[in-house]
Amino acid sequence: DIVMTQSPDSLTASLGERATINCKSSQSVLYSSNNKNYLAWYQQKPGQPPKLLIYWASTRESGVPDRFSGSGSGTDFTLTINSLQAEDVAVYYCQQYYSTPYNFGQGTKLEIK
Amino acid sequence: QVHLVESGGGVVQPGGSLRLSCGASGFIFSDSGMHWVRQAPGKGLEWVTFITYDGSNKYYADSVKGRFTISRDNSKSTVNLHMNSLRPEDTAIYFCARGGTSGPVENWGQGTLVTVSS
Repeated sequence: DIVMTQSPDSLTASLGERATINCKSSQSVLYSSNNKNYLAWYQQKPGQPPKLLIYWASTRESGVPDRFSGSGSGTDFTLTINSLQAEDVAVYYCQQYYSTPYNFGQGTKLEIK
Repeated sequence: QVHLVESGGGVVQPGGSLRLSCGASGFIFSDSGMHWVRQAPGKGLEWVTFITYDGSNKYYADSVKGRFTISRDNSKSTVNLHMNSLRPEDTAIYFCARGGTSGPVENWGQGTLVTVSS
């Protein structure tokens, strides 16, 4: 099984600042035949279901603000949120869909100062 | 617009059974794989199971293998989760979600709460 580990567990940043969340997989999620990383990022606000933000490690889902960006390859990935807004308060999860079980990271709670 | 609505949650005793259902609309259901993902109170997301678009392949987390069964009815655009031998640690909100094989989870329902307690 591929284990997903996020860091940090929680993060506090100021409005307008940049927030960076890391995700590490226990084995590569890069599929060599198509050069795609099978890695997604989700945002979950309190009382709501998760929402897909980023897939293939760096492709933004339709309607997601361009303040959100994903990067990385192989086993190390980053979600960057620029110009933090109050509505970005949420828990963020990474997930690999390279192989079952499609494990999630433990989540990173983002708060605004 | 994709719409996923779960039903069937409730309180069940340890060792009991429950069946969750998810009704889908707004997309071609028979072309889409479907997941169940759960979230224990105050905890993170746990992937539970996935069924391919035609029901020919099913995958399970080790924590539920042998106890839970996923099924689908493409004529009714529904996906079900049959849960047997329930344990207190199965207590969670269960989300129905749409996604392809080897693809991200694209859409989520609001979830249904299952509580396993005596």
